[in-house]
Amino acid sequence: GENVEQHPSTLSVQEGDSAVIKCTYSDSASNYFPWYKQELGKRPQLIIDIRSNVGEKKDQRIAVTLNKTAKHFSLHITETQPEDSAVYFCAARDNTGNQFYFGTGTSLTVIP
Amino acid sequence: IAGITQAPTSQILAAGRRMTLRCTQDMRHNAMYWYRQDLGLGLRLIHYSNTAGTTGKGEVPDGYSVSRANTDDFPLTLASAVPSQTSVYFCASRPQGADTGELFFGEGSRLTVL
Repeated sequence: GENVEQHPSTLSVQEGDSAVIKCTYSDSASNYFPWYKQELGKRPQLIIDIRSNVGEKKDQRIAVTLNKTAKHFSLHITETQPEDSAVYFCAARDNTGNQFYFGTGTSLTVIP
Repeated sequence: IAGITQAPTSQILAAGRRMTLRCTQDMRHNAMYWYRQDLGLGLRLIHYSNTAGTTGKGEVPDGYSVSRANTDDFPLTLASAVPSQTSVYFCASRPQGADTGELFFGEGSRLTVL
């Protein structure tokens, strides 16, 4: 099955700086890569996603890049704000569309 | 009900007891999932169902069973709970056929097995 690795496990940045979270996946057939944000005590919620036929996608301060050859994808948050503090999960969906494999999460702290 | 609802929110359970976590959605989503969340391990898939009447095993199915008698409900049962099943359990759903990775999660059920 698919194996998704995520780094770093914790990340602290100053407010206004950028944050980058990286994930790798093992199954080249995986075709969809969502990112979820989970605030403390809350449910995970989708923030951005990218399909395997796209190299980059941006939504305001958030962007995701995908390198299919290297099988890695990254989340970029620019101009970070305290409300960006949360745990972020990457995921990969297998080509059957049935299963989503999650990374182990990155706890992001934005220091005011 | 709006969205996806889980019950109970929190439960303390003695080892060996049987427990069913309930999950109900009113979005008419075909696909439903159960994940467990453990610190340092992320979200791991227990079981899933693509449509009513069908279920499948995920990454960590042992000790758990599910049923999908209708579109709305997807209960997760621990037949004989063990301490290693202490975790936060999330139910999720996704519309079938939609080419999207968006899983809609419930609020979670925190289970402690003593």
